[in-house]
Amino acid sequence: KNEVEQSPQNLTAQEGEFITINCSYSVGISALHWLQQHPGGGIVSLFMLSSGKKKHGRLIATINIQEKHSSLHITASHPRDSAVYICAVRFSARQLTFGSGTQLTVLP
Amino acid sequence: GAVVSQHPSWVICKSGTSVKIECRSLDFQATTMFWYRQFPKQSLMLMATSNEGSKATYEQGVEKDKFLINHASLTLSTLTVTSAHPEDSSFYICSARSQGFAGANVLTFGAGSRLTVL
Repeated sequence: KNEVEQSPQNLTAQEGEFITINCSYSVGISALHWLQQHPGGGIVSLFMLSSGKKKHGRLIATINIQEKHSSLHITASHPRDSAVYICAVRFSARQLTFGSGTQLTVLP
Repeated sequence: GAVVSQHPSWVICKSGTSVKIECRSLDFQATTMFWYRQFPKQSLMLMATSNEGSKATYEQGVEKDKFLINHASLTLSTLTVTSAHPEDSSFYICSARSQGFAGANVLTFGAGSRLTVL
């Protein structure tokens, strides 16, 4: 069964802290996306990964194909980073399967 | 970068009426668009994949006669919720796939449409 598990479900951090959100999946994939959903519902695609590591500003995404695991890191977190972060995986020819999301709250 | 415009952003309708939601790719051609639904505090669920010029592919459990999808051009896909009922109240989001740098598929999401059926 193609499954995507995200952890933690909820995360509260103080401004400036280093944050890690994890995503594990059950079988081989062709691509993994990290998405950010704002309180109003709008979604932004942060990264698409098939291997290795990507960095954009304070955001870093890594993927370990052998361990079927990806992490999203936020350095020097800020209250404006508060959002739901969603891991979405494409299993072979299928469409995206979404994780349940991580609600991140960064306190000033 | 790629922009996807979704309209309307919110709509309230009476039970039994039909509602159309539009998803447009503004500066690129999207041969494939996706429609998702999200209930409160739940994750996104893919409803259907819309391919330009052909019938949409619906996910298991999604009624194709209730959620009509039309992808008549490379820049526009529409989702029509027919005979809407209160249980159809949800947040509907579209995304479009475009070719990014070095041929990588890039997903761009619309802002979403919040449907409330009274």
